[in-house]
Amino acid sequence: EAGVAQSPRYKIIEKRQSVAFWCNPISGHATLYWYQQILGQGPKLLIQFQNNGVVDDSQLPKDRFSAERLKGVDSTLKIQPAKLEDSAVYLCASSLVGWNSPHNEQFFGPGTRLTVL
Amino acid sequence: QQPVQSPQAVILREGEDAVINCSSSKALYSVHWYRQKHGEAPVFLMILLKGGEQKGHDKISASFNEKKQQSSLYLTASQLSYSGTYFCGTEDALIFGKGTTLSVSS
Repeated sequence: EAGVAQSPRYKIIEKRQSVAFWCNPISGHATLYWYQQILGQGPKLLIQFQNNGVVDDSQLPKDRFSAERLKGVDSTLKIQPAKLEDSAVYLCASSLVGWNSPHNEQFFGPGTRLTVL
Repeated sequence: QQPVQSPQAVILREGEDAVINCSSSKALYSVHWYRQKHGEAPVFLMILLKGGEQKGHDKISASFNEKKQQSSLYLTASQLSYSGTYFCGTEDALIFGKGTTLSVSS
């Protein structure tokens, strides 16, 4: 079974530029998550999708971050404009069961390491 | 509320045991544990649910004390492959602690 795919794996941009990350979840997984992981910290949830609908985006800085999951499959996370503090690893995860199930074992992708200069 | 993990770091020799704790200021009904090796994505270890349901993983087990709003991860007879950072997740694994880094040497 193929895992969660993410691209690019690394990205270096200057502040105020824009950047986009792509995620393809495991086939059949209804729930998709985007996390931001700053060095030395645990993953922080940015947004959660159930199929193509947003379940939770309360921690997404909406003035600069946006995400979409068209057709309920792959997803794109965009930052525009980027700030220095956005430097982090952006992880995408997916789970088979619904967002409100405690059995939601999450499968993580390899992440995209973003450096903002 | 982010769960609090302790200790922040553990250094072990192969074969030694370790306990990692996770506590929350909010009532817990599930706790998830993940391990992340350096430069890799987090990998699911187990879920503990209110009422006692749990899953194990090799020689790694866990407990869940609902009254104390705590969970503990037990690593028995540690192996080199256990090295990594362990995260507990609450709120259906949507809020993770800062992690406990475990280093196992031969």
